[in-house]
Amino acid sequence: DAGITQSPRHKVTETGTPVTLRCHQTENHRYMYWYRQDPGHGLRLIHYSYGVKDTDKGEVSDGYSVSRSKTEDFLLTLESATSSQTSVYFCAISGYSNQPQHFGDGTRLSIL
Amino acid sequence: DQQVKQNSPSLSVQEGRISILNCDYTNSMFDYFLWYKKYPAEGPTFLISISSIKDKNEDGRFTVFLNKSAKHLSLHIVPSQPGDSAVYFCAARGSRGGSNYKLTFGKGTLLTVNP
Repeated sequence: DAGITQSPRHKVTETGTPVTLRCHQTENHRYMYWYRQDPGHGLRLIHYSYGVKDTDKGEVSDGYSVSRSKTEDFLLTLESATSSQTSVYFCAISGYSNQPQHFGDGTRLSIL
Repeated sequence: DQQVKQNSPSLSVQEGRISILNCDYTNSMFDYFLWYKKYPAEGPTFLISISSIKDKNEDGRFTVFLNKSAKHLSLHIVPSQPGDSAVYFCAARGSRGGSNYKLTFGKGTLLTVNP
């Protein structure tokens, strides 16, 4: 299995609070991605990174920001969480752009 | 606008029989297609892929077929086993350019293999 660790695995928080999810990889892969999975929507890309300090938006980036200060860590931040951001969040990595992405086990986030 | 469609939310088959999962896409710029399997409370796991220059790729019990003219791909699992019960996601990647590493996923199909 690819060395991907997501933390926390579960989190419950209140509307309006900031939340940061962490993705840590031990594969030294260049590309990292954040997705959310919701019923009826499959997996949707939030943000991705193609190198340290190089990030870009995905299809559902509103309300989210990311940072990648070192190769192994990719952080996803909800500046002011809303109930619509209740979801399961997955991090993925790939070594090259043409390689399949490998996923972490997800973070279940509930915003009350 | 859904660019990758899995029109069957669920599929139920008998152990030992063939499972066929279907996927349609609308973007002609997609040139690489993948299937992922997902168990509850786990992340998706890469299963098999196919490039648009091929029409078939096989890996053990899993075969993916691509019909470019119809913008359709399918995943065949033969023989199906109870451990194959999972949600299967179809994904597609664009051709070269700034978006060539971004995947677009379908909504998934829940496969249940009955003993």
